[in-house]
Amino acid sequence: NAGVTQTPKFQVLKTGQSMTLQCAQDMNHEYMSWYRQDPGMGLRLIHYSVGAGITDQGEVPNGYNVSRSTTEDFPLRLLSAAPSQTSVYFCASSFTPSPGNTIYFGEGSWLTVV
Amino acid sequence: GQQLNQSPQSMFIQEGEDVSMNCTSSSIFNTWLWYKQEPGEGPVLLIALYKAGELTSNGRLTAQFGITRKDSFLNISASIPSDVGIYFCAGQLISNFGNEKLTFGTGTRLTIIP
Repeated sequence: NAGVTQTPKFQVLKTGQSMTLQCAQDMNHEYMSWYRQDPGMGLRLIHYSVGAGITDQGEVPNGYNVSRSTTEDFPLRLLSAAPSQTSVYFCASSFTPSPGNTIYFGEGSWLTVV
Repeated sequence: GQQLNQSPQSMFIQEGEDVSMNCTSSSIFNTWLWYKQEPGEGPVLLIALYKAGELTSNGRLTAQFGITRKDSFLNISASIPSDVGIYFCAGQLISNFGNEKLTFGTGTRLTIIP
């Protein structure tokens, strides 16, 4: 019953450091995505993938890279962390991008950039 | 990008009271979704609406997809302490590429006063 698993849960970075947020799902979902959640702004889409080898940008992609080498994993990379990237990050997945397919969210990764 | 206005931003109610919140959009969606998020967790889907005018219930929760496809409301009847959390609306639009995109509202924080 793993569902969508994100690591790490908490991370503090210094400005300019790089890191990767890991996301894995064991439900054989084709569609995976990354969101960031900031106070008063809801969740905003960073990047998404409709299947292995395919990724695309969301609403706020700058400063982030993604790759999808396998169906199960969808890591999010911060190339050079900035304080503006302090946020809570959620990975999500669903079977297909069809309307109504339940989207499952991970438990979130709290990132602070100092 | 599309904007979702969710109101109210916060609610303080007594146990047993009914709750009503709504979302409006500047453009239409194919699907409206309502999520609940508890502290330290990712959003969990409560109700999904697929057709304009649709009214759907899930226990004490009732949600409607507005006729114009630009709005939705969520009602909670006879609130209980476990209803505490942040409620998000989300509009889903399937792009020409077939990929789903979720646009989230800014959330309604529900607090129940003992």
